[in-house]
Amino acid sequence: QVQLVESGGGLVKPGGSLRLSCAASGFIFSDYYMTWIRQAPGKGLEWVSYMSGTRSFVDYADSVKGRFTIYRDNAKNSLYLQMNSLRVEDTAVYYCARGSAHELGAFDIWGQGTMVTVSS
Amino acid sequence: DFLMTQSPDSLAVSLGERATINCKSSQSALYSSNNKNYLAWYQQKPGQPPKLLISWASTRESGVPDRFSGSGSGTDFTLTISSLQAEDVAVYYCQQYYNTPPTFGQGTKVEIK
Repeated sequence: QVQLVESGGGLVKPGGSLRLSCAASGFIFSDYYMTWIRQAPGKGLEWVSYMSGTRSFVDYADSVKGRFTIYRDNAKNSLYLQMNSLRVEDTAVYYCARGSAHELGAFDIWGQGTMVTVSS
Repeated sequence: DFLMTQSPDSLAVSLGERATINCKSSQSALYSSNNKNYLAWYQQKPGQPPKLLISWASTRESGVPDRFSGSGSGTDFTLTISSLQAEDVAVYYCQQYYNTPPTFGQGTKVEIK
């Protein structure tokens, strides 16, 4: 069964750090682009970052560039998002999602999400 | 960046009636070399992650009921629910993946009248 399971969310103070994880199963993880997308409470979807299967292609939203780092461990079928210098406006549910094999593609598999709350 | 604008922001439709959601892109999502529109539609029900309904503007994902259809090309796209069912109450998003950053529309909330 194709599945993504996020973890690592929680409550953190402004300026703090968190590392999110996404465990993948049921498909050849290293073949696929993977992405992080977030959704602030009551708001729409905002793409955060993606990484290709070979780790050759990476990009970030301007809102997180320089503060967040995406990486993956294909041997562990896992995707990560290191979030530093967190701001109140980073408060959101963070989803990991699967892209396609050869290009970013549409996001066909999503995890259930993990909540990140940045508050003093 | 591509700006994706959906209309309307919300709509209420009677059960069994047609629901139509529009999505306009600030740039063409049609890639001329393969004649494909890099446009997807997602459905998000309360408390759930989004679900991919349609990719390439008009290709339904496996298991998606055929009452959902996508159309359009270039900069103008439409998601149609031909006969609204109670379980279709959700927020619907369009998204372009033609270019980075991938961008979403603001969402359209569909309710029962």
